[in-house]
Amino acid sequence: RKEVEQDPGPFNVPEGATVAFNCTYSNSASQSFFWYRQDCRKEPKLLMSVYSSGNEDGRFTAQLNRASQYISLLIRDSKLSDSATYLCVVNILSGNTGKLIFGQGTTLQVKP
Amino acid sequence: GAVVSQHPSWVICKSGTSVKIECRSLDFQATTMFWYRQFPKKSLMLMATSNEGSKATYEQGVEKDKFLINHASLTLSTLTVTSAHPEDSSFYICSAPGRFYEQYFGPGTRLTVT
Repeated sequence: RKEVEQDPGPFNVPEGATVAFNCTYSNSASQSFFWYRQDCRKEPKLLMSVYSSGNEDGRFTAQLNRASQYISLLIRDSKLSDSATYLCVVNILSGNTGKLIFGQGTTLQVKP
Repeated sequence: GAVVSQHPSWVICKSGTSVKIECRSLDFQATTMFWYRQFPKKSLMLMATSNEGSKATYEQGVEKDKFLINHASLTLSTLTVTSAHPEDSSFYICSAPGRFYEQYFGPGTRLTVT
């Protein structure tokens, strides 16, 4: 079983749609959680951290359920520029900094 | 946010040669840096953790004699792919950790071995 699992998609949605991505992780020792965005042939960029209380940044809402080991990302009012691969990332404490484990990514394609 | 640079951004080399990739933290010090590899349509896979002043820690299945890592200073880590083969062709990305366990990634180096 993969340590971090995501539905690879692709998700094809029209502009303005609301889309939700899900992610599960297997290591209960996971310390912190993130969503990264990766554009084609580019490095990942941090989209947002994920907390149990849920957090929102504009059109993006992230949620963590530690009991179910489940992470979600909701994108409202999709824009063409949201087209990218969204990576669910879990930090497992290792030494002083921990190490990141990446899901395989979910591809989003927003159509006009 | 923190800035991490990589050099070169892309490189083509012949089979059997060695290639060195540099990763620099530009506006902060990083005692630890991470090296990842990403194959097309696959996710990032951690190769090793680079530690300033000590040996790198390699992930299972990564050959330490093939992928040499040197953390020369608090702002520089290098990855040398020795005796490169076509199957080493990949996207290599480094990162440095932030204050809250997030990581800042370099722009990546695309290696093609012919």
